Amino acid sequence: QKEVEQDPGPLSVPEGAIVSLNCTYSNSAFQYFMWYRQYSRKGPELLMYTYSSGNKEDGRFTAQVDKSSKYISLFIRDSQPSDSATYLCAMTSNTGKLIFGQGTTLQVKP
Amino acid sequence: DAGVTQSPTHLIKTRGQQVTLRCSPKSGHDTVSWYQQALGQGPQFIFQYYEEEERQRGNFPDRFSGHQFPNYSSELNVNALLLGDSALYLCASSLRDSRSEKLFFGSGTQLSVL
Repeated sequence: QKEVEQDPGPLSVPEGAIVSLNCTYSNSAFQYFMWYRQYSRKGPELLMYTYSSGNKEDGRFTAQVDKSSKYISLFIRDSQPSDSATYLCAMTSNTGKLIFGQGTTLQVKP
Repeated sequence: DAGVTQSPTHLIKTRGQQVTLRCSPKSGHDTVSWYQQALGQGPQFIFQYYEEEERQRGNFPDRFSGHQFPNYSSELNVNALLLGDSALYLCASSLRDSRSEKLFFGSGTQLSVL
């Protein structure tokens, strides 16, 4: 079993839809949770960062962490074609070593 | 403010050859990590350098080695290349004392082994 599981998709939605992306994990020591966005074989770009449990909002993006369920989510409101990319969840236990999910490919159709 | 820069952007090698990839961290950062990303997969941790020493290592063979220079830049070396080493190699930098675990990635080097 992988430490971090993420549905690879692909996920296709119409413009304006609400998108929900999720990851589950098995290591209860993880404390730092991140979402990265990666465009067509470019480097991952840090999108959202959360320490421990709770919600964090930044514009159209909301990140949620539920440590009791070992489950994290990223919500994108009013999705745009420019949001089409691969979204990677990542987490660590203060070791400096990030464990990534497989990535979910999202396509937002105009 | 320059971000993380990597060179070269693309590289084609044949089996058995050796390759060196280079990385300059984001301004103000002192820690460099290297990741390997196979097609359709998430990045996998190779190793991390801080104060010119390898501090952590992932599950990669000794064919993968690295170096960090006094100016915090870093190199990744891979010897005896295999077809399976074909991947996007990502460099990430961070500030150790920030304790935030935030990593900032470069655009990567696409390595193809024929």
